[in-house]
Amino acid sequence: ILNVEQSPQSLHVQEGDSTNFTCSFPSSNFYALHWYRWETAKSPEALFVMTLNGDEKKKGRISATLNTKEGYSYLYIKGSQPEDSATYLCAFALGSGNTGKLIFGQGTTLQVKP
Amino acid sequence: DVKVTQSSRYLVKRTGEKVFLECVQDMDHENMFWYRQDPGLGLRLIYFSYDVKMKEKGDIPEGYSVSREKKERFSLILESASTNQTSMYLCASIHRGPTYEQYFGPGTRLTVT
Repeated sequence: ILNVEQSPQSLHVQEGDSTNFTCSFPSSNFYALHWYRWETAKSPEALFVMTLNGDEKKKGRISATLNTKEGYSYLYIKGSQPEDSATYLCAFALGSGNTGKLIFGQGTTLQVKP
Repeated sequence: DVKVTQSSRYLVKRTGEKVFLECVQDMDHENMFWYRQDPGLGLRLIYFSYDVKMKEKGDIPEGYSVSREKKERFSLILESASTNQTSMYLCASIHRGPTYEQYFGPGTRLTVT
């Protein structure tokens, strides 16, 4: 059974703090790793889709790194703001066929206090 | 912008009722998915469809069925709702390749009493 683990499960930080979370995934048969942000009362939205070992992607204050050989990805938020409060989901893409199927971690819920 | 809509944000049903959750996407995506999300667990795949009238079971299909008669619409059916099906249900769609990024609906919070 393929397993995707995220840590921590939840995080409370002050505005301005920088933070990071981890996603662990199977290191064999890697195809892609997705990060999504899910704000309360909204739809989950894709942040990054990462495919290459050593890849680093950035969107504003949020960045992500990928290590496919050891099976982990980090998501960093620099200078957290209250609007960053959300659940962050990572998902491991199953590469067989063209189904687009993903296995999701349980998520990291971030609360940023003003 | 891709838009994925779900028929209801909140739904309350009684045990034993037949429940329909509807999902519509407007971007001509081939593949569509139904997930449920429960506290402490990740999104778990119930069913997905890769074409009209084509479907495949996900990880937790028991108690559910699906229908895809038109490309833009994917319905999840709870044949006889039970209290353990109380959950948040999310629909998603993708265009095949290269990233297979999923586009999600806003979710339906279903409570079965």
